[in-house]
Amino acid sequence: QKEVEQNSGPLSVPEGAIASLNCTYSDRGSQSFFWYRQYSGKSPELIMFIYSNGDKEDGRFTAQLNKASQYVSLLIRDSQPSDSATYLCAVNPPRGTYKYIFGTGTRLKVLA
Amino acid sequence: EAQVTQNPRYLITVTGKKLTVTCSQNMNHEYMSWYRQDPGLGLRQIYYSMNVEVTDKGDVPEGYKVSRKEKRNFPLILESPSPNQTSLYFCASSFEGPTEQFFGPGTRLTVL
Repeated sequence: QKEVEQNSGPLSVPEGAIASLNCTYSDRGSQSFFWYRQYSGKSPELIMFIYSNGDKEDGRFTAQLNKASQYVSLLIRDSQPSDSATYLCAVNPPRGTYKYIFGTGTRLKVLA
Repeated sequence: EAQVTQNPRYLITVTGKKLTVTCSQNMNHEYMSWYRQDPGLGLRQIYYSMNVEVTDKGDVPEGYKVSRKEKRNFPLILESPSPNQTSLYFCASSFEGPTEQFFGPGTRLTVL
């Protein structure tokens, strides 16, 4: 089992719809969770981070963390063609380590 | 402008010829890290550094060396590159690990 798993996609959604991206992780003691967006040929950029169970909202983006079920998700409301990119989930394992483990990413296509 | 810079951006070399990819940040960040990105495998951490003179292995350190003699610089050294090190390399930094990381523009390396 991979440490951080994401569906590779592509996930296609129509413009204006909600895009839902999911990520599961294997280490139950993981502490910090990050979503990065990467446009083709560019470097990753941080969208959101979440440390506690529940929802965290920032504009059109909502991150959801469920530590009991070991998943973290990213919702993008009112999806725009400019949201078309690969979304990378990253997890920091338990306290005392300083590694980051990335998923392989989900490619999102927002259709105009 | 706050940024992470990498040089060179593109490099084609031959097997066994030592090379160094430089990384520099101007944000006074404690934490720096190197990743490689390969299709289907995502971002994998090579080495990271918590502070000057403090480095540790990530998930794929074989064939790479790093040093952190100054806070702002974190060069990646390939003593004897091999074709399986052909990849896209990213340097990243954060105020402290594990928090949000800022990525450099990437270095595309081809080893013939």
